[in-house]
Amino acid sequence: AQRVTQPEKLLSVFKGAPVELKCNYSYSGSPELFWYVQYSRQRLQLLLRHISRESIKGFTADLNKGETSFHLKKPFAQEEDSAMYYCALPFMGSGNTGKLIFGQGTTLQVKP
Amino acid sequence: DAGVTQSPTHLIKTRGQQVTLRCSPKSGHDTVSWYQQALGQGPQFIFQYYEEEERQRGNFPDRFSGHQFPNYSSELNVNALLLGDSALYLCASSLGTAFQETQYFGPGTRLLVL
Repeated sequence: AQRVTQPEKLLSVFKGAPVELKCNYSYSGSPELFWYVQYSRQRLQLLLRHISRESIKGFTADLNKGETSFHLKKPFAQEEDSAMYYCALPFMGSGNTGKLIFGQGTTLQVKP
Repeated sequence: DAGVTQSPTHLIKTRGQQVTLRCSPKSGHDTVSWYQQALGQGPQFIFQYYEEEERQRGNFPDRFSGHQFPNYSSELNVNALLLGDSALYLCASSLGTAFQETQYFGPGTRLLVL
């Protein structure tokens, strides 16, 4: 079964420190993966997707098929990065649908 | 554009009752997906509606049903409420059903079942 695991419920770092939010997935094919973010009192929104290979707000994520991981990284954390982060995998069953499988989420706390 | 809107924002019901939650998609979007987010968990997919039909369903019992209207808005109905149905219910809209299309989420409806 397809599954997304985010092993850390909370990650606390100081401003300026590097950040790595872990995401592991279970899927035998070539996955598409997403990172969603929810800032305080805001709605869940897409941060970045694997297929775009882009950097958003200084964050990047690399797909490692060997380790089945899609960790989110930022070299220098900012206080405004404090939020809840969710890794998501589209369900690759019959047909191409928008069913997303989310991890449990990691709260990133950036201390001044 | 207000984006995806949901109503009501909060709701309190008792066990055995029925509830209806509503969602209006972002302007121009034709697909609506519903998710349940229990406290401390990630969102779980309930179902997706496109062209007024349920296109994909997650592992939820038949007590959970939905509807999509010609204007693309959608309702989520839950019958015979259980305590475990207490959660934040999120609606997401997109242009088309493909996973490549970005899903835009609403603020959610928080349901408490007593």
